[in-house]
Amino acid sequence: AQRVTQPEKLLSVFKGAPVELKCNYSYSGSPELFWYVQYSRQRLQLLLRHISRESIKGFTADLNKGETSFHLKKPFAQEEDSAMYYCALSGGATNKLIFGTGTLLAVQP
Amino acid sequence: NAGVTQTPKFRILKIGQSMTLQCTQDMNHNYMYWYRQDPGMGLKLIYYSVGAGITDKGEVPNGYNVSRSTTEDFPLRLELAAPSQTSVYFCASEAMGLRPESGANVLTFGAGSRLTVL
Repeated sequence: AQRVTQPEKLLSVFKGAPVELKCNYSYSGSPELFWYVQYSRQRLQLLLRHISRESIKGFTADLNKGETSFHLKKPFAQEEDSAMYYCALSGGATNKLIFGTGTLLAVQP
Repeated sequence: NAGVTQTPKFRILKIGQSMTLQCTQDMNHNYMYWYRQDPGMGLKLIYYSVGAGITDKGEVPNGYNVSRSTTEDFPLRLELAAPSQTSVYFCASEAMGLRPESGANVLTFGAGSRLTVL
């Protein structure tokens, strides 16, 4: 069965500190992984996807098939990064997105 | 383009009442979805549609119904509302492609509808 696990409900860091939001997945095939973000009073939106191998707002995520992980990283957190982050997995014939439970990132000044 | 528009933004229902959450998109996306968001539970897929006239169940369809008579609209109906349906509901659409590079799984979300059942 497809599953996405985000073990941390809340991650609190200070401005300028490194950030790593953990995401592990369970999928028997070749998955597509995504990070979606929801800033306060804004709509949920795509942050980045592994297929693009891009850095968005200083965030990167590498798909590690051996560890079945897709952790989101940023070397220096900014206050404006405070938001709810969702890891999502797509796979299978229907290609629907399965979301994790989300991690609230709080960046303290 | 307005994107994905959901109405109402807030609603309080009494147990047993019924209502319809409206969702419309103006991007000519063929895929549309309804999710519910509960604290600590993330987003759960309720129903989805791959095109007009075609709908299918997601993870948590019980207590809900949908229809897709046009490409633009994907209403979600709650029959006999229960406290367990208190949640924030999100509608989303997607220009489904065959490969991720084409935009598949890049969802455009609505602003959400907060529903409370008392």
